[in-house]
Amino acid sequence: QSALTQPPSASGSPGQSVTISCTGSSSDVGHYNYVAWYKQHPGKAPTLILYDVTKRPSGIPDRFSGSKSGNTASLTVSGLQPEDEADYYCSSYTGRDNLYVFGTGTTVTVL
Amino acid sequence: EVQLVESGGGLVKPGGSLRLSCAASGLTSSDFYINWVRQSPGRGLEWVALIKSQNHGSKTEYGTPVSGRFTVSRDDSQNTVSLQMSRLKIEDTGVYYCVREAVGYFDKWGQGTVVTVSS
Repeated sequence: QSALTQPPSASGSPGQSVTISCTGSSSDVGHYNYVAWYKQHPGKAPTLILYDVTKRPSGIPDRFSGSKSGNTASLTVSGLQPEDEADYYCSSYTGRDNLYVFGTGTTVTVL
Repeated sequence: EVQLVESGGGLVKPGGSLRLSCAASGLTSSDFYINWVRQSPGRGLEWVALIKSQNHGSKTEYGTPVSGRFTVSRDDSQNTVSLQMSRLKIEDTGVYYCVREAVGYFDKWGQGTVVTVSS
């Protein structure tokens, strides 16, 4: 199973929005609504920011939103803040030999 | 507070073995699906293995790259999950995370333990 494809980088000024895509296949992203997004600061473990494509865990601001169309999921961060600068990864359940597949990661820079 | 704390990482030669442990607090590990996920610069984030909850027979699943070499187990008396890694390869190098799974996602991660496979 190949990794999900994300753009290597994305950037925006404070207050702006940035959208990150996550492209898989009909066997993972396109087949299941088990798409999640994680945020990771350097040297730290990833933390969950979205699950089931659009749901936010407790404590995650509504500036973070998700969507899916076909084999591509997207994460939008609205009203960019300096603390949003981090690496972002998507994941999808696959139900196959490798139960989960992760995205290649996107580094978000707040200009 | 739910915490997962990994230990046991280190430097090992190719072909060698290593055992990682994940100590759970604030939850009973046997009630949950516990996974191992690793991260390396070359391979990114990669799902490694799963041990299901006791209610689901504590069944195990493995990723293709590690199947037949890694074994995940649980010690309910210690509330720990272990990952026994054998016949290690250079490409097994990375940070190994112990992760709690909810349905379709990972909601709690440990801080990770570093495994380096090098001669």
